[in-house]
Amino acid sequence: NAGVMQNPRHLVRRRGQEARLRCSPMKGHSHVYWYRQLPEEGLKFMVYLQKENIIDESGMPKERFSAEFPKEGPSILRIQQVVRGDSAAYFCASSLRGYQETQYFGPGTRLLVL
Amino acid sequence: GDSVTQMEGPVTLSEEAFLTINCTYTATGYPSLFWYVQYPGEGLQLLLKATKADDKGSNKGFEATYRKETTSFHLEKGSVQVSDSAVYFCALRLSNTGKLIFGQGTTLQVKP
Repeated sequence: NAGVMQNPRHLVRRRGQEARLRCSPMKGHSHVYWYRQLPEEGLKFMVYLQKENIIDESGMPKERFSAEFPKEGPSILRIQQVVRGDSAAYFCASSLRGYQETQYFGPGTRLLVL
Repeated sequence: GDSVTQMEGPVTLSEEAFLTINCTYTATGYPSLFWYVQYPGEGLQLLLKATKADDKGSNKGFEATYRKETTSFHLEKGSVQVSDSAVYFCALRLSNTGKLIFGQGTTLQVKP
């Protein structure tokens, strides 16, 4: 029973490039959450998605960041025109039916912006 | 606003020592409380949880009790092992949202 999968595990981008982070939830899970962990800090909530819907994006920066969870395929977190301050670990979590259920985390994508 | 505060680390203990990691929270309503553990280079794993006041969560020898009167959820283990070395995160989730709010994490190092 595969857990939450994220790829790539490590991503290096130069300033101004785009970063695409992918998350495949656990089998049967239809709720996905994205969190960001800046160096020496705890995780901060970014966005909560259900298939084809954004439920809560209160933690998303207003510019350059977007997320989707299509009917088919993984959830994508997209960062346009990356800056050095975007360097962080990005974690995806999934839950089975709804937000009141346990969130299971993936291994994360470590983004480094040069 | 809603927040979680953990004791600062790193915490360094000898094997078989008693562990306490303090966690207090500020929240409106009645949150659910969680402890997650992160091993080096890995994602977070749920360690234990409690959903209402006076509940005790327990797993792998770790336990924590939801104390509404002191707004606390301290993590304890009677005898730590080297393999318990990791970063521990306390978190809360409000009843009407999927958002987890995390503390800053506490690094535990257990020496043989």
